[in-house]
Amino acid sequence: QQQVKQSPQSLIVQKGGISIINCAYENTAFDYFPWYQQFPGKGPALLIAIRPDVSEKKEGRFTISFNKSAKQFSLHIMDSQPGDSATYFCAAGLGPSGSRLTFGEGTQLTVNP
Amino acid sequence: NAGVMQNPRHLVRRRGQEARLRCSPMKGHSHVYWYRQLPEEGLKFMVYLQKENIIDESGMPKERFSAEFPKEGPSILRIQQVVRGDSAAYFCASSPPGRALGEQYFGPGTRLTVT
Repeated sequence: QQQVKQSPQSLIVQKGGISIINCAYENTAFDYFPWYQQFPGKGPALLIAIRPDVSEKKEGRFTISFNKSAKQFSLHIMDSQPGDSATYFCAAGLGPSGSRLTFGEGTQLTVNP
Repeated sequence: NAGVMQNPRHLVRRRGQEARLRCSPMKGHSHVYWYRQLPEEGLKFMVYLQKENIIDESGMPKERFSAEFPKEGPSILRIQQVVRGDSAAYFCASSPPGRALGEQYFGPGTRLTVT
């Protein structure tokens, strides 16, 4: 019940295109859903996060869409750039009442120039 | 404001030796988390600590692994009698007290290689 399933495993997009990464969770107690970006040899960097009381959150070119009934959430990267090429991880947490994050397996995004 | 700091960045140990990984949280953060990342995999939670307290160690292997976050100084993840399967990247994250928003900020990691 603690799993977070992420897809696709890898994604290739042309510059200027839209990158879409999907995640699904099982535990309905999760109430915090962040996305992290990781470059090779670096630590994960918090990109954007959402709580289940909203269905969408946008920050610049990055948008999270959240579907509570389906227990799914996704990351959309608009106008994808070669510099966005990285591994993206979704995660789910229990908010203030619990502190561990459960991560998806990651999506390796390549944006071709 | 410096981010989460971890040292060493790379650590090579022979089988049977001890590995000590250090983590200094962001200024003002009192919560520390340790995660392990195996090659080509996601991060797996190991332990959550506050100053002088282990809050959740449900992800820690039962043997050889221990963690502490003393009143003064960095948090330390200790692995005794390392084996090849311990080779991984170990990341520390920190969050501010209260955790009203839930954000965790990660350090650059320590890459442990066991030979």
